[in-house]
Amino acid sequence: DSGVTQTPKHLITATGQRVTLRCSPRSGDLSVYWYQQSLDQGLQFLIQYYNGEERAKGNILERFSAQQFPDLHSELNLSSLELGDSALYFCASSVTSGRGNEQFFGPGTRLTVL
Amino acid sequence: ILNVEQSPQSLHVQEGDSTNFTCSFPSSNFYALHWYRWETAKSPEALFVMTLNGDEKKKGRISATLNTKEGYSYLYIKGSQPEDSATYLCAFYSGNTGKLIFGQGTTLQVKP
Repeated sequence: DSGVTQTPKHLITATGQRVTLRCSPRSGDLSVYWYQQSLDQGLQFLIQYYNGEERAKGNILERFSAQQFPDLHSELNLSSLELGDSALYFCASSVTSGRGNEQFFGPGTRLTVL
Repeated sequence: ILNVEQSPQSLHVQEGDSTNFTCSFPSSNFYALHWYRWETAKSPEALFVMTLNGDEKKKGRISATLNTKEGYSYLYIKGSQPEDSATYLCAFYSGNTGKLIFGQGTTLQVKP
């Protein structure tokens, strides 16, 4: 158990809908990262927050947005869902945002868009 | 486009065999190289974070080396055990993007 929690574990929804994925980092970690893992691709970095502020952005679609709240939990919002958004979404956290910090991954949320 | 490549894609070995895999990454703007172990139905777990050229890290039977000038890292597993079966991911931390770019992984299957 990494200490990172994600809810829900599974989510099944329809195209065009909007969902919110939630992540609570390990106690004391200030940085949160979101990743997407699709069937045909490896782990793709989406976005990083550090202490409430966006720090780095990857290939995150405009239909997706995220935020980190004062209590450091983070939410990833996915809207106008398409079939291709079906994937495993991981959240990870680290103590700071530096290069040397290993990231601790949560169990993931499996999103299925029908 | 920053590319991280891992080889081989998959590997089947017998229990007791030693094995190694390669991670290739851009040699410019290097900040760090991470190795993660990802077991089926679990989440990735950090093995090593390497930041200096020539770094060598060891954890039990697993060790890693780093060459930032030529852009590669090796992961070695000595005396593989069935519980070592997993996908091993390397990830390149690019200084000018601030993001961790993962390779596709090497999937290791150790037969008893």
